[in-house]
Amino acid sequence: GAVVSQHPSRVICKSGTSVKIECRSLDFQATTMFWYRQFPKQSLMLMATSNEGSKATYEQGVEKDKFLINHASLTLSTLTVTSAHPEDSSFYICSASRGVTQYFGPGTRLTVL
Amino acid sequence: DAKTTQPPSMDCAEGRAANLPCNHSTISGNEYVYWYRQIHSQGPQYIIHGLKNNETNEMASLIITEDRKSSTLILPHATLRDTAVYYCIVSSSNYGGATNKLIFGTGTLLAVQP
Repeated sequence: GAVVSQHPSRVICKSGTSVKIECRSLDFQATTMFWYRQFPKQSLMLMATSNEGSKATYEQGVEKDKFLINHASLTLSTLTVTSAHPEDSSFYICSASRGVTQYFGPGTRLTVL
Repeated sequence: DAKTTQPPSMDCAEGRAANLPCNHSTISGNEYVYWYRQIHSQGPQYIIHGLKNNETNEMASLIITEDRKSSTLILPHATLRDTAVYYCIVSSSNYGGATNKLIFGTGTLLAVQP
């Protein structure tokens, strides 16, 4: 149990376009999900906390208007990277809370040309 | 900032036990110790967590010192597939019982040698 999926696994887009990444908890409900970003050879950096039915809480330095988060149901959170630029190219990973444990998705590799 | 300190890298022979240390001297009474690992280009995988007592599951054992200021993750029989970055994280749960945010440090790169 405790499986989290992400879609797509890999996406390439042109500069200036928007990209939506989905995070789903497949076999449990999660009132809280989290979004992370990881650059090459670096650790995971928390971007925001997503709570079902309410606005996301963003970490310091993360632009909320650029990284739109929607947590419309107990099994789905989405991250939309708006007006993507090459510096947004990264590995985006979500997690979902089940009890006191977070379970992570497999990640989405975003490349902005 | 991460609240834990881990060695940057460790080697282990295949088939032997891997003992990964972690210092968390500023841990609060309501904070759990979590261990995750990340294999290259994948999402982190949950391994184990504990509060005060030692814990064991099918993947590993977690030994927490009595003062809770440090812990050790033990992989009893390391295989080549256990080569990964191992993260030790401390975090509390919120009022709803869900885990609070996890702040990742740089972890320990465990290299299992054949």
